[in-house]
Amino acid sequence: GAGVSQSPSNKVTEKGKDVELRCDPISGHTALYWYRQSLGQGLEFLIYFQGNSAPDKSGLPSDRFSAERTGGSVSTLTIQRTQQEDSAVYLCASSLFEGSYNSPLHFGNGTRLTVT
Amino acid sequence: TQLLEQSPQFLSIQEGENLTVYCNSSSVFSSLQWYRQEPGEGPVLLVTVVTGGEVKKLKRLTFQFGDARKDSSLHITAAQPGDTGLYLCAAPGGKLIFGQGTELSVKP
Repeated sequence: GAGVSQSPSNKVTEKGKDVELRCDPISGHTALYWYRQSLGQGLEFLIYFQGNSAPDKSGLPSDRFSAERTGGSVSTLTIQRTQQEDSAVYLCASSLFEGSYNSPLHFGNGTRLTVT
Repeated sequence: TQLLEQSPQFLSIQEGENLTVYCNSSSVFSSLQWYRQEPGEGPVLLVTVVTGGEVKKLKRLTFQFGDARKDSSLHITAAQPGDTGLYLCAAPGGKLIFGQGTELSVKP
């Protein structure tokens, strides 16, 4: 498809387990973003990539969270030793250029993570 | 630090009513964006306002950027049930910073 694809769409995991969330951006988009959204809330910035490098990791909540991007395309967000407070919808977005008003973000439909 | 404050947080109205959603900040922005998010989906860009005082219209939606480029408003005329969703303002620049959103429910 032509849009941003995220997988899985839903993930239920036990506390303490590791999870990997995947994002396939729109082809040709150089910037990729990860956000977290709790129920009915706004979007909390986690990290963004320009190409394969991450100029801003300031939003990652703890060292249990990490992300990488390979080939300027697919990105994975990994959460180690999951906690119940990690439960949220994790949204990925891509844009043609970084942070420009004329380069809007295109979002995927998110991965709903539930930690039991 | 919350850079963008949206109000109200929740709004429940009847079909046909008008409403205004506000996005305020103490910071000056080069531009502001408005997104709408429906349940189970990611946000979708509605509009970008760039110039202080700018007004943009999208059918029944009117967006305004404050003269000082610190605030913006979204006005919906004759709201429809299809307008239901979460409305988010956002400030671009490197990463995109979002307000906490306004949850709008329009009842038939």
